[in-house]
Formats: sequence, C-alpha cells, structure tokens
Amino acid sequence: DQQVKQNSPSLSVQEGRISILNCDYTNSMFDYFLWYKKYPAEGPTFLISISSIKDKNEDGRFTVFLNKSAKHLSLHIVPSQPGDSAVYFCAARGNSGGSNYKLTFGKGTLLTVNP
Amino acid sequence: NAGVMQNPRHLVRRRGQEARLRCSPMKGHSHVYWYRQLPEEGLKFMVYLQKENIIDESGMPKERFSAEFPKEGPSILRIQQVVRGDSAAYFCASSGVDTQYFGPGTRLTVL
Repeated sequence: DQQVKQNSPSLSVQEGRISILNCDYTNSMFDYFLWYKKYPAEGPTFLISISSIKDKNEDGRFTVFLNKSAKHLSLHIVPSQPGDSAVYFCAARGNSGGSNYKLTFGKGTLLTVNP
Repeated sequence: NAGVMQNPRHLVRRRGQEARLRCSPMKGHSHVYWYRQLPEEGLKFMVYLQKENIIDESGMPKERFSAEFPKEGPSILRIQQVVRGDSAAYFCASSGVDTQYFGPGTRLTVL
C-alpha cells in the first residue's frame, strides 16, 4: 500500500520556467513532510520541509505548499535551472503508532530542466 | 563539517556470503536510520538506532539482517547469507532533533 504517491515519474521543463512537482498521501497521521533531491549514485539531499500546521514554506527558489484537506503537497521551483535536473522524492513522517521519525517515501519524479 | 559517511560505496558479494555496511553519522547526531532502495522504487525504512539501542526495526527482514550502533564506532548493517534479492542501494541517515540527512549510500550487488 503506497502511502505516499508521486504520480508523475518524470517532468521536463525549460530553463527559467517554473517546475511543479506533486505528491499525494493517504495517511492522515502524517504531520511533517520533506522534499529530497537525488542525483545518480548519490544519497538524497534535503531540500525543504513543512509542518502540517503550515500551508506554505519558502526557501529561495523552492516553495512547498501543503493542502491538508486534499492530502496533497507540491514543490515549486522557480526559476528552474539545468542543475536542478535530478530525481525529487517526497517523504512524510507522522506520529503513527509511536513512529514519529520513520520517513515514508514516494517513488520519485525525475525532473529534467532543458537549457 | 563532514556529512554522513558510508562505506564501502560499492560492495559485491556472492550468494551465501556476508555483507557489512558501515555508517558514521554527522557530528553531533545520535540518531541513525537505515533505508533500502530497490530499483525503480522509493526508499524504504529498515531500522532506527540510537547509541547501543535499537529503537525500531520494524522494516528489517526477520531473518539474515541485523543492525547495531555501538558506543564507539560506526553503525553497522549486517546481512548474512546474501541472496540476489538483497541487491539494492542501502542508505544511512542521521539526525539531531528533526531533519534526517543522508549518506551517499552503499550499492550492494549479489552475484
């Protein structure tokens, strides 16, 4: 049962435009969400996070939006740069059965930013 | 300030051998987590440890897999009698209070 879903395996955008990566979750106990970026043969790199008490968090070119009622979050990157090309993972953490540290990951979205 | 260190980066084992994966957390972090990534999949939680304690091993296969985080030295993920299905990327993460930071991973190939 996939509790965190990234339904788009890939996304291609032009340099300078906005990239929007989407993530849906099913477990209402999740209360903290993170985005990681991963290059081939490297570990995931933390990008940005958001607590369920907020609906938006911004850090430079990266903004994460959370819609709790829809159980949906999105990562906006603007402007997109070729160096942003990577796999982006959505992850969620929740106070579920005492497990408030275990991250549940989506399968990732491959972002390609074309020059 | 060094990040999470993992070694080896690549490990090749034949079926039936043992694999030992090491992880040194970031300085100041006392929480270590192991995740496994199979091809075309996201990362899956395996185990969470603090110094000398296994806090949650609910994601670990019941047999052949074990983990430790001793008082001194790195955390070790040990896989005994490896099988081809164990081939994957194994990532270690560490945290202080909140965000988990990941190491570069160990790519295990079982021949």
